[in-house]
Amino acid sequence: EAQVTQNPRYLITVTGKKLTVTCSQNMNHEYMSWYRQDPGLGLRQIYYSMNVEVTDKGDVPEGYKVSRKEKRNFPLILESPSPNQTSLYFCASGGGYSYEQYFGPGTRLTVT
Amino acid sequence: DAKTTQPPSMDCAEGRAANLPCNHSTISGNEYVYWYRQIHSQGPQYIIHGLKNNETNEMASLIITEDRKSSTLILPHATLRDTAVYYCIVRASFTQGGSEKLVFGKGTKLTVNP
Repeated sequence: EAQVTQNPRYLITVTGKKLTVTCSQNMNHEYMSWYRQDPGLGLRQIYYSMNVEVTDKGDVPEGYKVSRKEKRNFPLILESPSPNQTSLYFCASGGGYSYEQYFGPGTRLTVT
Repeated sequence: DAKTTQPPSMDCAEGRAANLPCNHSTISGNEYVYWYRQIHSQGPQYIIHGLKNNETNEMASLIITEDRKSSTLILPHATLRDTAVYYCIVRASFTQGGSEKLVFGKGTKLTVNP
């Protein structure tokens, strides 16, 4: 089954404690991206990757890092999380010659 | 990418057709119209896309006006599970130099009532 998986699905952490949210896709897509969703602000792109070892900033990259060492994985790293990064995060893959993008189930992060 | 305008909310009776409008008056010739939906904090789900011809798939139909300035997503027999926020997105295809980024507006909150 074609899918994008994210882990963990829920995470409560404290300010400053480094964390990684993993994202994996099984569709051999070249394009992957991360979005965050906040009430009243909608879905905003954080980072994206056009292919392995190629990443670029989206609209709200501050406080986040990503890496793309393998085609199927695109982890989101918060080196020093802060409360303003409390949000619902989605990973997506697809694009290119495929018009459809697939989204993961979401990771709800709370930073206290 | 062209901007889109959608009504903030709509209601529909279960079993009836749901017609969701979208205005994209500044759409350019190489931009496609995409529809996604998001069911209660789940990941957005692709529904359908089109360039200028009407399109139909197992989920919905997409009607694009001849001048391409507006479109309508039709769910032919809405069910309770179709209650969601529906997003209309306009962007050029990757093969024509478009960005892969999906720009989500506020969408239309569709409520299907029993």
